[in-house]
Amino acid sequence: DIQVTQSPSTLSASVGDRVTITCRASQSISSWLAWYQQKPGKAPKFLIYEASILEGGVPSRFSGSGSGTEFTLTISSLQPDDFATYYCQPYNSYPLTFGGGTKVEIK
Amino acid sequence: VQLVESGGGLVQPGASLRLSCVASGFTFNGIWMSWVRQAPGRGLEWVANINPDGSQTYYVDSVRGRFTLSRDNAKNSVYLQMNSLRAEDTAVYYCTKGGDVSSWYWRDWGQGTLVTVSS
Repeated sequence: DIQVTQSPSTLSASVGDRVTITCRASQSISSWLAWYQQKPGKAPKFLIYEASILEGGVPSRFSGSGSGTEFTLTISSLQPDDFATYYCQPYNSYPLTFGGGTKVEIK
Repeated sequence: VQLVESGGGLVQPGASLRLSCVASGFTFNGIWMSWVRQAPGRGLEWVANINPDGSQTYYVDSVRGRFTLSRDNAKNSVYLQMNSLRAEDTAVYYCTKGGDVSSWYWRDWGQGTLVTVSS
């Protein structure tokens, strides 16, 4: 099974900050990684697939990069709507798994 | 795309429950479907996938043998039959829409239905 480790688990930041979240896979997954945003009491929102392809409608301040075992999600200038929990999800084999999540909090 | 789950509730350990998800807004019979769950205050966990004609299903180890995923394409619906429920199955269960070739990730999610397993 592929394990993914997200870091940090919690991140305190201010509006306008550049924020980077890291996801490390236990083995190479090429670029088969997705990112989601989840707000309390809501279903996750799909952000990025194939590590770096932004889903339509997602603001361009979000970007993804990486391949192999190390990946990043970057928010170039944090906006009030971005305070949420973010999950990475590798998808090259079963069982499908998620990272443990990164909560982005207001500093 | 709309995915509407139902069937959640409070049950005792060892009981059974069947979740339903009615889909609309896309060609249901050509799409993989999935369930993903989230225990209270915890992260996301994939539960099961089913292919478009229902002939292939995949499960996370923790539910294999207890949960059965099925679909009725005439009713645009998927069903998650959950037997021998355990306290650790307590979670919000989300119905999710995959793709036409696989269900590796999910663009569309339902609002979720809460399953609570407790005595």
